[in-house]
Amino acid sequence: SAVISQKPSRDICQRGTSLTIQCQVDSQVTMMFWYRQQPGQSLTLIATANQGSEATYESGFVIDKFPISRPNLTFSTLTVSNMSPEDSSIYLCSAGTGNEQFFGPGTRLTVL
Amino acid sequence: GENVEQHPSTLSVQEGDSAVIKCTYSDSASNYFPWYKQELGKRPQLIIDIRSNVGEKKDQRIAVTLNKTAKHFSLHITETQPEDSAVYFCAAAKPIHGSSNTGKLIFGQGTTLQVKP
Repeated sequence: SAVISQKPSRDICQRGTSLTIQCQVDSQVTMMFWYRQQPGQSLTLIATANQGSEATYESGFVIDKFPISRPNLTFSTLTVSNMSPEDSSIYLCSAGTGNEQFFGPGTRLTVL
Repeated sequence: GENVEQHPSTLSVQEGDSAVIKCTYSDSASNYFPWYKQELGKRPQLIIDIRSNVGEKKDQRIAVTLNKTAKHFSLHITETQPEDSAVYFCAAAKPIHGSSNTGKLIFGQGTTLQVKP
């Protein structure tokens, strides 16, 4: 299984600012994904981070708001731009090779 | 796109009883169905998964069954213990076009399982 770390683990931000979340995998993986999980809710896929090409966004999520980078097979970043209180959530990355997907510990974001 | 429905939303059982959580999916092209356990404040942990070429898979006290025709799959936990208390999520995924790898996961709404001692 892949071991995934995220930074930061939590942050409190002011509205209108941006935060970049980093996701690091201990091995090369084909697929990396970014999810959002609001308290007591399920996981909602934001986008698939493709290595060497632009991310693929799900309905309701746009690149201007959530730009993603995937510079290599072990690393990805998600930026939450121009934040508002509605962006307060836990953001998780996941990674997998083949079938199984594993999750990072999440980044708890609070926007004031 | 794919839609995954999960029931029940909450489930309370006595220690030692069995627990069953059911999910249905909409896209017949989905071929991979994992189950995740998420404890409070922790990341989702993969506990068992099944592919569409298999009808049942078991791992100690946990089993998953899949009915491709009806497009539903279930998680069965036997001899439940208090440490089984958590939120359980089912998910479904399709293969990536031109690849044997699994694509994005679409999750059910989650089931909060409480095992009473």
